[in-house]
Amino acid sequence: QVQLVQSGAEVKKPGASVKISCKASGYTFTGYYIHWVRQAPGQGLEWMGWINPSSGGTNYTQKFQGRVTMTRDTSISTAYMELIRLRSDDTAVYYCARVRAATTRSSFGFWGQGTLVSVSS
Amino acid sequence: QSVLTQPPSASGTPGQRVAISCSGSSSNIGSNTVNWYQQLPGTAPKLLIFRNNQRPSGVPDRFSGSKSGTSASLAISGLQSEDEADYYCAAWDDSLDGPVVFGGGTRLTVL
Repeated sequence: QVQLVQSGAEVKKPGASVKISCKASGYTFTGYYIHWVRQAPGQGLEWMGWINPSSGGTNYTQKFQGRVTMTRDTSISTAYMELIRLRSDDTAVYYCARVRAATTRSSFGFWGQGTLVSVSS
Repeated sequence: QSVLTQPPSASGTPGQRVAISCSGSSSNIGSNTVNWYQQLPGTAPKLLIFRNNQRPSGVPDRFSGSKSGTSASLAISGLQSEDEADYYCAAWDDSLDGPVVFGGGTRLTVL
């Protein structure tokens, strides 16, 4: 069965960086795009971008351009999301999500359990 | 301010039918399919409806989706207490804002 297991909670100071991992299992890692979505406390879902695990190609939403980097290590079926120059409003639960089908513009059929990142001085 | 507009709350009694709306524009709902996600308290979102009206395996047929023009709707019939959750609509967007946009979410309360 498809599983996405994310790394544990992080506490960071403003200006620091965080790198979250998302380990995939139960399917061919390079066959399906992985997206990253975040949710601030008590708020809705916010899409951050995607990575094509096969090519390493990425697409980030404008809001995070220059601060986010999505990478992958196909040898261990793991995707990563790094966010730099953290601010207090980056405090959120960060989710990785795999597309449901290997087609363009597919929905997010499988989600990681989420990683809480707290940014505070 | 979310790109897709949902009512912040909805409610119903057990057994009732409720509908949650999602309004967008020509660049998102108007030209792409709509997906719905259910988020139970303290858990990750779960895909509920994809491609406007398709249910993943395991999702009860009490849940249904529809789309017309630049709006979409999620209907839940035979409401049950375990349906109490946040519901989000989402769609790909052809504008520069980004490929995927979400609604602000609707909190469903089962009275």
